[in-house]
This record gives sequence, structure tokens and C-alpha cells, in this order.
Amino acid sequence: TAGITQAPTSQILAAGRSMTLRCTQDMRHNAMYWYRQDLGLGLRLIHYSNTAGTTGKGEVPDGYSVSRANTDDFPLTLASAVPSQTSVYFCASSEIHGSDTQYFGPGTRLTVL
Amino acid sequence: SQKIEQNSEALNIQEGKTATLTCNYTNYSPAYLQWYRQDPGRGPVFLLLIRENEKEKRKERLKVTFDTTLKQSLFHITASQPADSATYLCALADSNYQLIWGAGTKLIIKP
Repeated sequence: TAGITQAPTSQILAAGRSMTLRCTQDMRHNAMYWYRQDLGLGLRLIHYSNTAGTTGKGEVPDGYSVSRANTDDFPLTLASAVPSQTSVYFCASSEIHGSDTQYFGPGTRLTVL
Repeated sequence: SQKIEQNSEALNIQEGKTATLTCNYTNYSPAYLQWYRQDPGRGPVFLLLIRENEKEKRKERLKVTFDTTLKQSLFHITASQPADSATYLCALADSNYQLIWGAGTKLIIKP
């Protein structure tokens, strides 16, 4: 199985443009998460979804939106990118919210100029 | 404020020795704490979980301890190998079972 896939691998984006980061899992996990990872900081939760059709805000949700139309897909949208959103973005999943293990995708490196 | 701290300086260990990494936290009472490994350009990979009522957990050459009085977890790799070189992240589950992450410690095992 592929686990979690993310696309694109990397992207350079002009400030003010919109972009959607894609995330797909094939493990039929109920819970999915979006994190950003910045140098010197721990992973920070942006948004999460406990099950298809529901989403919630994490620690740093401003400027980002998500949707969870089905179990497998959890896209993250930046409506109007700003340079402070330059980061590495990781999508993760777990069987249920609060279960032991989170499985991570390979990440998307985003640069906003 | 609530914090989780890992040593930001890289840890250099000679091959064959035991590597010990530290994770300290304040103002949490976590239900469990996890350790992950992250290689450059890759996502974190789960290694071990230890619950609040457990003192120690082992998996092959890995050992984790959890002292809720000291608010500290130690992560040990025995008989370390160059392939163990990576960044190791600790994460604790808050009251909503969301994971709060440390920034990680880079471990370098020298042959």
C-alpha cells in the first residue's frame, strides 16, 4: 500500500495567489491532520478531521482551510498566500482521533515569495 | 505557558555506544508520549509510545522511560549504528488527544 501521498512535492508561489495541497491516504483511517514544520519549531497542527464530513481547527489555522468530502482525501487550501506560510507541510492520518500512531506523508515544501 | 522541549543541539555519539535523548515538558499531564524518527526530506515515522502509567517501554535496541514527576521522557538507543543518525521527535497527547510536538534532536552516530 502507498500509505499517504502528498502533491506537489514542492512549489514556489507568488504572494496573494491561492493553492491547494493535496493529501490522499489508502489506509481507510478516520482521522487526518495537516501540520506545518518550520526550522527550530515542533510540528504545529493547522487543521484536523476526525471523520469524513467533519473538520476542526488546530493551533495555527489562520489563512488555511480544509475539507473532508470522503475518507481518503484531505486537501489544504491557502486562499491568499503570504510569505509567512513558507514552510514544509505534512499530512498525517490515524485510525481514529487520539489513537496511538500517526502516519505521515512525505511532505510538501512550499515557498511563498 | 505549556511547553515541550528537546535539546536543540545535535548529539554526536560514537558507534556502538548508547545514545540518550531527552524530552522535557511543562504544564501538561499527558495521557501518553510518543517518539518519532525523521530523516531529511521525509515525514516522521512512529517508533514508540509510552503511557502515563508506564515507567519504561522497550523495542529491540530502543528504550523509552517516562517520569511524570520530573515531567521528562528519555529515549535510549543501545549499540548505536550510523544508520540510527536522524532527527528524533517527541510528542505528547494533550487533554484533547492532540499531539504537541518538540522541535527534535538531531542524532549523529560516528563510525
